[in-house]
Amino acid sequence: QVQLVQSGAEVTKPGASVKVSCKASGYTFTGYYMHWVRQAPGQGLEWMGRINPNRGGTNYAQKFQGRVTMTRDTSISTAYMELSSLISDDTAVYYCAREGDSSSSGRALDYWGQGTLVTVSS
Amino acid sequence: YELTQPPSVSVSPGQTASITCSGDKLGDKYVCWYQQKPGQSPVLVIYQDTKRPSGIPERFSGSNSGNTATLTISGTQAMDEADYYCQAWDSSNVVFGGGTKLTVL
Repeated sequence: QVQLVQSGAEVTKPGASVKVSCKASGYTFTGYYMHWVRQAPGQGLEWMGRINPNRGGTNYAQKFQGRVTMTRDTSISTAYMELSSLISDDTAVYYCAREGDSSSSGRALDYWGQGTLVTVSS
Repeated sequence: YELTQPPSVSVSPGQTASITCSGDKLGDKYVCWYQQKPGQSPVLVIYQDTKRPSGIPERFSGSNSGNTATLTISGTQAMDEADYYCQAWDSSNVVFGGGTKLTVL
């Protein structure tokens, strides 16, 4: 069965960076785009961007351009999201989510990780 | 590109709940819907406007035409109380609606 398991909660300071991991299992990692979505406390879902695990190509939401980097390690089926120059407003739960193929789920985000809480505080 | 949802919808148990999602020419795009319960990750309940993933109850259905997509829950149950988000693609970007809190009174 498809599983996305994320790294544990992080507490970090303003101005620092954070890197969250997402380990995939139960499917061919390189066959599906991986997205990152965040959710601030009490707020809605916010799309950050996606990575093609096969070739490593990325596209980022304009809001995060220059501050987010998405990478992957195909040898261990793991995707990473690094966010730099953190501010308190970056405090949120960060999710990875798999983009399904167009035939089975119409490019919807069909599987989600459990979320990683990142707290930015001085 | 923006998707607009009502912040809240209330429904009595056993009745039909409708949650709308509006966007410019939204009917020209595919819409999907996610359910999120407190403290949990979102779950896909509708994709490609009308299709249900395996394991999603038949009482969940969707439609999309013109500028509005609608998620309909027939025979709403207490377990359906949750936040619901619509989502569409704008070029290569994913866009989410602001979310609707469904309360089953």
